[in-house]
Amino acid sequence: QVQLVESGGGVVQPGRSLRLACAASEFTFSSYDMHWVRQAPGKGLEWVTVISYDGTKKYYADSVKGRFTISRDNSKNTLFLQMNSLRAEDTAVYYCAREDRGFIPMVRGTVNWFDPWGQGTLVTVSS
Amino acid sequence: DIQMTQSPSSLSASVGDRVTITCRASQTINSYLIWYQQKPGKAPKLLIYAASTLQSGVPSRFSGSGSGTDFSLTISSLQPEDFATYYCQQSYSPPHTFGQGTKLDIK
Repeated sequence: QVQLVESGGGVVQPGRSLRLACAASEFTFSSYDMHWVRQAPGKGLEWVTVISYDGTKKYYADSVKGRFTISRDNSKNTLFLQMNSLRAEDTAVYYCAREDRGFIPMVRGTVNWFDPWGQGTLVTVSS
Repeated sequence: DIQMTQSPSSLSASVGDRVTITCRASQTINSYLIWYQQKPGKAPKLLIYAASTLQSGVPSRFSGSGSGTDFSLTISSLQPEDFATYYCQQSYSPPHTFGQGTKLDIK
């Protein structure tokens, strides 16, 4: 079945870097925009970044802009998140999610949604 | 950026109750509104997209409504497995902001 599996989380000191990966399977990865979303312990969901299906367009939340970089390797069906200059407030479970789209007659247009999500990988920034 | 405001932030209810959670966007998002359910230690689960379209496999006791800036999620008759945290999210434009969540627990 369609699946996303994150990896690369762990404990890292403030100011250091970490690279997360998200391996996709059972769908045409190169046809979909992909997102990263995070959730700090005991907190709500925070959207982090998106990359277009071909890697040409990227958007970031202000909280990570200039420090995080999203990328993808369509030949390996893998999404990445390079996280630099990590801070304590970056501690969270990081999820990758696929953006799906479809025409909805009721709204007379194409809409998008995020599904599936990976199981998440925990990043802890601590000295 | 579009701000999403959910209410209430927490809600206590009993099995069989009808509950409604609301979500308000700071500007119009047409019908680009998604609802998720999340249980502890698990990834969010897609319930509803396009404000009112039920994801395949989601029970029909869940329904969504609204357009523009005001939206709601209704569970018609709570079941034990529905006690969880619910989030709305706008997919209109990045950053694709979430509401702060509504924790639904057993009364």
